[in-house]
Amino acid sequence: EAGVVQSPRYKIIEKKQPVAFWCNPISGHNTLYWYLQNLGQGPELLIRYENEEAVDDSQLPKDRFSAERLKGVDSTLKIQPAELGDSAVYLCASSRTSRETQYFGPGTRLLVL
Amino acid sequence: AQSVTQLDSQVPVFEEAPVELRCNYSSSVSVYLFWYVQYPNQGLQLLLKYLSGSTLVESINGFEAEFNKSQTSFHLRKPSVHISDTAEYFCAVTVRGGYNTDKLIFGTGTRLQVFP
Repeated sequence: EAGVVQSPRYKIIEKKQPVAFWCNPISGHNTLYWYLQNLGQGPELLIRYENEEAVDDSQLPKDRFSAERLKGVDSTLKIQPAELGDSAVYLCASSRTSRETQYFGPGTRLLVL
Repeated sequence: AQSVTQLDSQVPVFEEAPVELRCNYSSSVSVYLFWYVQYPNQGLQLLLKYLSGSTLVESINGFEAEFNKSQTSFHLRKPSVHISDTAEYFCAVTVRGGYNTDKLIFGTGTRLQVFP
């Protein structure tokens, strides 16, 4: 069974540019998560989807961040415009239901110059 | 609200020596507990978890953790480490049975560095 797939693995952009990350969860997993991991820190939840519905986006900075999960499968996370402080690793995870174990993708490492 | 404390940011150890990575949590309700491992340039992988039942849980690669409710701890141990165990280890907690069962709260991580 394939794991959670994320792309790109690495992204370098200049500040004020837009950037998008893509995630394909494990087949059959209804719950999808986006996490932010700063250097030397543990992951912090940005948004959680149950199928195509965002049920917890309280930690998502909505002025510049947006996310979608059309058709309840793949998801994209966008930042526009990016700031220097957005440099971090963005992790996607999925689980069969919200009460089951979360499985993580390899992450996208973003560097904003 | 629950939180997780990993007291050691780095743990250096020689190969074949025993190791303990400490994790304490604070929560007024029952919790599920997890250890995740992150190898360089990879995503987090579930190492082991405590949901209920026996307080001692084991992983397939020789790690074990013991849930201690009175001390609110979930320390990770291995009697003999290998070079390949070098990685970042994250302890995480989620509320058991509450509306926030979906939200994992992670510690800041402990970097285990195994030397030959």
